[in-house]
Amino acid sequence: GIQVEQSPPDLILQEGANSTLRCNFSDSVNNLQWFHQNPWGQLINLFYIPSGTKQNGRLSATTVATERYSLLYISSSQTTDSGVYFCAVAWKTSGSRLTFGEGTQLTVNP
Amino acid sequence: EAEVAQSPRYKITEKSQAVAFWCDPISGHATLYWYRQILGQGPELLVQFQDESVVDDSQLPKDRFSAERLKGVDSTLKIQPAELGDSAMYLCASSYPPGPNEQFFGPGTRLTVL
Repeated sequence: GIQVEQSPPDLILQEGANSTLRCNFSDSVNNLQWFHQNPWGQLINLFYIPSGTKQNGRLSATTVATERYSLLYISSSQTTDSGVYFCAVAWKTSGSRLTFGEGTQLTVNP
Repeated sequence: EAEVAQSPRYKITEKSQAVAFWCDPISGHATLYWYRQILGQGPELLVQFQDESVVDDSQLPKDRFSAERLKGVDSTLKIQPAELGDSAMYLCASSYPPGPNEQFFGPGTRLTVL
């Protein structure tokens, strides 16, 4: 079936390290968003990026829609970056509902 | 900064009881979504409204769940009766304009059914 796959499932870093999170999706999409879920459960919007490249401070993201993947880059990681990162897509055939991946659990140690 | 509001933030109930959650979307956002997130998984859509109309409730367990958005602004999600398996985070999101645009989420309601 159509699905969203995120890798790696878990990532442990030392403060200051860089990382790349990947999201593969199996069908054409109208929307792709990256979220950070904080320890209290709220989903924080990082990027709305159905295609192209965006940057926001230490974070950047690239979506290559024709190859059905997106990458989230975190540079100079900080302990406050810890949490779960979700990729979510809206399939072209399914309106605007978001289908989420299983997430990447990031732990940044001091 | 405009935000999606939800209440309560936490709810503990016993099975077979009724519970209700409230969501107020960002002002002017005509599309409202309710998602459910089971621990360790990504959220899944329960119901989507466009103004006061339901446009997608295919994943809503209609035997016990109901949702309304009577005036096309705030919304209520109800569970009656609650079951142990309903323990989860219930998240509300909104977006504008209509279509697959960026969705913004509220803080969620964490439900525990005992």
